[in-house]
Amino acid sequence: DADVTQTPRNRITKTGKRIMLECSQTKGHDRMYWYRQDPGLGLRLIYYSFDVKDINKGEISDGYSVSRQAQAKFSLSLESAIPNQTALYFCATSDPRIGTGGNNEQFFGPGTRLTVL
Amino acid sequence: DQQVKQNSPSLSVQEGRISILNCDYTNSMFDYFLWYKKYPAEGPTFLISISSIKDKNEDGRFTVFLNKSAKHLSLHIVPSQPGDSAVYFCAASAGSNYQLIWGAGTKLIIKP
Repeated sequence: DADVTQTPRNRITKTGKRIMLECSQTKGHDRMYWYRQDPGLGLRLIYYSFDVKDINKGEISDGYSVSRQAQAKFSLSLESAIPNQTALYFCATSDPRIGTGGNNEQFFGPGTRLTVL
Repeated sequence: DQQVKQNSPSLSVQEGRISILNCDYTNSMFDYFLWYKKYPAEGPTFLISISSIKDKNEDGRFTVFLNKSAKHLSLHIVPSQPGDSAVYFCAASAGSNYQLIWGAGTKLIIKP
């Protein structure tokens, strides 16, 4: 079944460490997104990519970087992790040509729970 | 400044009754609204949406109502079932900007 997968699912790291979160999709969608979720704040967009050569900053990109290695892969890096980056991270994909939610429906991975000590 | 607000962090409803989840927005440029449902340890999944040219959209037990003058939308679930217990997020987008702006979510608990 077409899917959005994220690795790792859980990660505990220390302040100052470099961390990479990976996202892969088999949906064939061009658009991919990285969000973080914090309690009481909903989902906030970190970066998004509309195709392999396109990378855009979202609402809260400071302290993060991304790489779109292929249509199916979109990685999020924390160059030097800090405790306030402790959160639940979601990858999502979309294709404006499909979906019942108009052209903005996004399909999410299961999330990565990151803890920075 | 939160452009999309879900002011009720949680809501408890008896099984079989109607659940009403509310969402308010401030940006008058929003023209598409979506509701997502999220179970623990899973990513959000799309539930139902509405375009700003409509005031109601229905899909089975789920109906979304949009009041543009009040900048308010609501999701009605009738009848509520135990499997509806989840966190519900409201999200909005504006025009050709495909970014979604999300509310903080409302945790719905269906009591047997």
